[in-house]
Amino acid sequence: RKEVEQDPGPFNVPEGATVAFNCTYSNSASQSFFWYRQDCRKEPKLLMSVYSSGNEDGRFTAQLNRASQYISLLIRDSKLSDSATYLCVVNPRGFKTIFGAGTRLFVKA
Amino acid sequence: EAGVAQSPRYKIIEKRQSVAFWCNPISGHATLYWYQQILGQGPKLLIQFQNNGVVDDSQLPKDRFSAERLKGVDSTLKIQPAKLEDSAVYLCASSQTGGWGPQHFGDGTRLSIL
Repeated sequence: RKEVEQDPGPFNVPEGATVAFNCTYSNSASQSFFWYRQDCRKEPKLLMSVYSSGNEDGRFTAQLNRASQYISLLIRDSKLSDSATYLCVVNPRGFKTIFGAGTRLFVKA
Repeated sequence: EAGVAQSPRYKIIEKRQSVAFWCNPISGHATLYWYQQILGQGPKLLIQFQNNGVVDDSQLPKDRFSAERLKGVDSTLKIQPAKLEDSAVYLCASSQTGGWGPQHFGDGTRLSIL
């Protein structure tokens, strides 16, 4: 089993749709979690941290389920500009940072 | 606030040649990371520095890759000799809060091996 797994997609959704991505991790000692966004041929950029109680930033909602060892990202009212690859990052304290392979999202008009 | 600076942006070399990349992290960021990202994959951590000490280099191919961070600021990553499979984007990142905080990435160096 991979340390961090994501559905590679691609997810093809129309503008205005709601889309959700999941990311599972294997190390139960993992302490911090993030979602990054990466545009084609660009560097990853931090989208949001994921907190135990769940957190929201505008149209984006991140949740953590420690019991089942996964994090999720929900995007509401998708925009064309949301088209990108979404990377989940798991950071077990004392261990190396692990990136998932990414989920590709295409939002079409 | 200035971001993470990397150079060069692009590099093309032949196999068995050597190459070096440079990174200047965000001012005040104690933790510096080098990642390798192969097309279609997520970034893979090669080495992590805390100030000028190595925290993790378990995935660094030490027979050909080396990295240093003199004085706990700038860092260089070197490959010698390069292999075809080293073709990738090499990303440098830094963070303020140690090995578990959000990371800020530079633009990366796109390396092509002929």
